[in-house]
Amino acid sequence: TQLLEQSPQFLSIQEGENLTVYCNSSSVFSSLQWYRQEPGEGPVLLVTVVTGGEVKKLKRLTFQFGDARKDSSLHITAAQPGDTGLYLCAGANWETSGSRLTFGEGTQLTVNP
Amino acid sequence: SQTIHQWPATLVQPVGSPLSLECTVEGTSNPNLYWYRQAAGRGLQLLFYSVGIGQISSEVPQNLSASRPQDRQFILSSKKLLLSDSGFYLCACSGTSLGQPQHFGDGTRLSIL
Repeated sequence: TQLLEQSPQFLSIQEGENLTVYCNSSSVFSSLQWYRQEPGEGPVLLVTVVTGGEVKKLKRLTFQFGDARKDSSLHITAAQPGDTGLYLCAGANWETSGSRLTFGEGTQLTVNP
Repeated sequence: SQTIHQWPATLVQPVGSPLSLECTVEGTSNPNLYWYRQAAGRGLQLLFYSVGIGQISSEVPQNLSASRPQDRQFILSSKKLLLSDSGFYLCACSGTSLGQPQHFGDGTRLSIL
């Protein structure tokens, strides 16, 4: 069974600060996705990374896939209250699990004004 | 782009009662469909996975069942609900090609009394 460990579980910061969320595994993933979820809603896809070492930027968000495709990070620059939410990473191993995803336990981010 | 409809949005049921949650997908054909359960503020647990009409894979042993009577309809059911069935249930879809991201509905909040 592949597991994804996210850290930290909870993060409370002030507006304007930077932060990094980590997603780690001992297993190799074919692809890794990051989602953001607000209370009472479904997760919304932010990015998919598939190549080891890949870096993708989405405005103030920077996503990196580890060289060995076992870990990923999400860095937010100058966080804003609108960034508040539950951030989830999810990995797929196409050879063993097809399109099924393994989710991390999430990082609850609160950005205070 | 695909749209996923889930209903009801919230449901309160007594222990021992039956359950039927429905999910329909628009804007795509022959999708892969998924049912997840999520504990408050935590990651998603995959319950069922379907690659086509009548084809259901169960990921964990449980009191629930799933059916796919039509290409874009996915139903989650139970004959007798348990207290432990309470949670946030999410339906998702993806394309059939490997690497396609999953897109989620807005979920059903199920409370068992």
